[in-house]
Amino acid sequence: KAGVTQTPRYLIKTRGQQVTLSCSPISGHRSVSWYQQTPGQGLQFLFEYFSETQRNKGNFPGRFSGRQFSNSRSEMNVSTLELGDSALYLCASSTGGETQYFGPGTRLLVL
Amino acid sequence: QKEVEQDPGPLSVPEGAIVSLNCTYSNSAFQYFMWYRQYSRKGPELLMYTYSSGNKEDGRFTAQVDKSSKYISLFIRDSQPSDSATYLCAMVLTTGGSYIPTFGRGTSLIVHP
Repeated sequence: KAGVTQTPRYLIKTRGQQVTLSCSPISGHRSVSWYQQTPGQGLQFLFEYFSETQRNKGNFPGRFSGRQFSNSRSEMNVSTLELGDSALYLCASSTGGETQYFGPGTRLLVL
Repeated sequence: QKEVEQDPGPLSVPEGAIVSLNCTYSNSAFQYFMWYRQYSRKGPELLMYTYSSGNKEDGRFTAQVDKSSKYISLFIRDSQPSDSATYLCAMVLTTGGSYIPTFGRGTSLIVHP
């Protein structure tokens, strides 16, 4: 089975721009979760989608949003980028249980 | 105080050593306890998980949970240079059907030949 894929792998944006990141889960997985990883804060939960519905959301501002499509692929959008949004963004897929499989991440640099 | 505390290291050991990695947590509602390994420029990979106090062994890895002390450990026997990575502990709550992990900051492990 193919693993979780994320595109793009690297991205450079400037402050104020918006960005959309994409995640393709493992075939058959209906849950996709998004995380932000920074040296200062570590790995933090952003939100989880299951069957196109957001089931849970972490403590991030409304500039961070996401969606999931009927084929379980998911996108994450960050609007009005700030310097502090520079991070590795990871998505993880699961069948809905406790075992999550992470993708390689998208490294975002905001200048 | 963060919900999950983990010493960032780095922890440097010689090949063949027994490695002990630890995390403490404050929320007694956590239900699952996990260890992930993350190599540089890769996503985390689940190593082990458990939901009860006690030990769980898988090859060279042993996960230990002490709920009364809110303390979990990962032991690596006969450590290899290929074990060099960042190890993340995660405590999981279930809410609204979701499994929401809270991660430690990760411990960087270096195993030198």
